[in-house]
Amino acid sequence: EVQLVESGGGLVQPGGSLRLSCVTSGFTFSAFSMNWVRQAPGKGLEWVSHISAASSTLYYADSVKGRFTISRDNAKNSLYLQMDSLRAEDTAVYYCARATFASGRSDYWGQGALVTVSS
Amino acid sequence: EIVLTQSPGTLSLSRGERATLSCRASQSVSSSYLAWYQQKPGQAPRLLMYGASRATGIPDRFSGSGSGTDFTLTISRLEAEDFAVYFCQQYGSSPPWTFGQGTKVEIK
Repeated sequence: EVQLVESGGGLVQPGGSLRLSCVTSGFTFSAFSMNWVRQAPGKGLEWVSHISAASSTLYYADSVKGRFTISRDNAKNSLYLQMDSLRAEDTAVYYCARATFASGRSDYWGQGALVTVSS
Repeated sequence: EIVLTQSPGTLSLSRGERATLSCRASQSVSSSYLAWYQQKPGQAPRLLMYGASRATGIPDRFSGSGSGTDFTLTISRLEAEDFAVYFCQQYGSSPPWTFGQGTKVEIK
């Protein structure tokens, strides 16, 4: 069974930093690209970032470029999102998701981690 | 950036009725790169369709169609578990990969 479990969410002040982790199981993590997608409270979905299987290709939404860094550790079956210079508008549930065909399409999703940016 | 506009915002229907959800793109999207997701309250999104193909485990009452800038998700006969929010997404060769704002299918 494919599983993705996010952790690391919480309350942070504007300008602060947070690191999300996503531990995966049930599939060969090193063979798949991964996505982070977020959803502000009561709002729609926003693709945030993508990393290829070997970390050779990284993509970011303009809204987070220069502030967020995606990475992975294939030996630990884990995906990360380092979030710096956080803003109130970054408040959202952050989902890690397995990408299909190295694209933005995601076939398996974690349960999400809530990040709240507030003073 | 490709903007996806979904309509209607809310669809009020009864069990057994047919649901037709629309997704319109600001520029042409290959039908192979248009997906639909279902999301229920408090849950993560679930992949339903990509192009005209159903994702694993998705019942055949769900179907996807369209081309160019106009796409449709059809649920032939609504079941109780189908009342949810539906999002379309384009995932062409170059990011950003964008989502529509969602259509809520509610019980009438």
